[in-house]
Amino acid sequence: SQKIEQNSEALNIQEGKTATLTCNYTNYSPAYLQWYRQDPGRGPVFLLLIRENEKEKRKERLKVTFDTTLKQSLFHITASQPADSATYLCALSNTNAGKSTFGDGTTLTVKP
Amino acid sequence: GAVVSQHPSRVICKSGTSVKIECRSLDFQATTMFWYRQFPKQSLMLMATSNEGSKATYEQGVEKDKFLINHASLTLSTLTVTSAHPEDSSFYICSARDQEVLHEQFFGPGTRLTVL
Repeated sequence: SQKIEQNSEALNIQEGKTATLTCNYTNYSPAYLQWYRQDPGRGPVFLLLIRENEKEKRKERLKVTFDTTLKQSLFHITASQPADSATYLCALSNTNAGKSTFGDGTTLTVKP
Repeated sequence: GAVVSQHPSRVICKSGTSVKIECRSLDFQATTMFWYRQFPKQSLMLMATSNEGSKATYEQGVEKDKFLINHASLTLSTLTVTSAHPEDSSFYICSARDQEVLHEQFFGPGTRLTVL
């Protein structure tokens, strides 16, 4: 069955450092991979989408890579800030309009 | 940006009653809406996919007679939890796809349901 694993349940880093979160998947060939941010008690917020034929996508301090051979996506936040503290979810989908499958998320804490 | 609202944000009800949750896309038309539930420290679990004007598609293990979904217009979908029990207590979140920007899901703020 399809499985999505996000590297760790929690990640703690110091302000200013780069946070790297990992999303691995098995038994799946996604056409799209998305990253979302979720704050406690709130719905997820879309951050970035990367397609299977794209290696890397950037948006401000965020960078996402997608390696379909390794079946892995890396999500980087550079120059991290305490305000970046949240749970980050990766999601996979096969089509534009189809449903997405979500990972369990990694909770990032950036300490000042 | 696209905004999705949910109402109510919190609801407490007695066991056996029914609860309706509304999901609205405020500034775009959503042909497809999704309903999720989320338990503490767990990921989103897709319950059903709701398409405007047609019957919802439920995920395996989700009782369609218990979780009634109606998507009557391009901006409104409702989830009704019928005969709620304490085990139905959870965080329910809807999302909508803008038919112009299909690859993004815009999520509502969620509804915290507590069944006593």
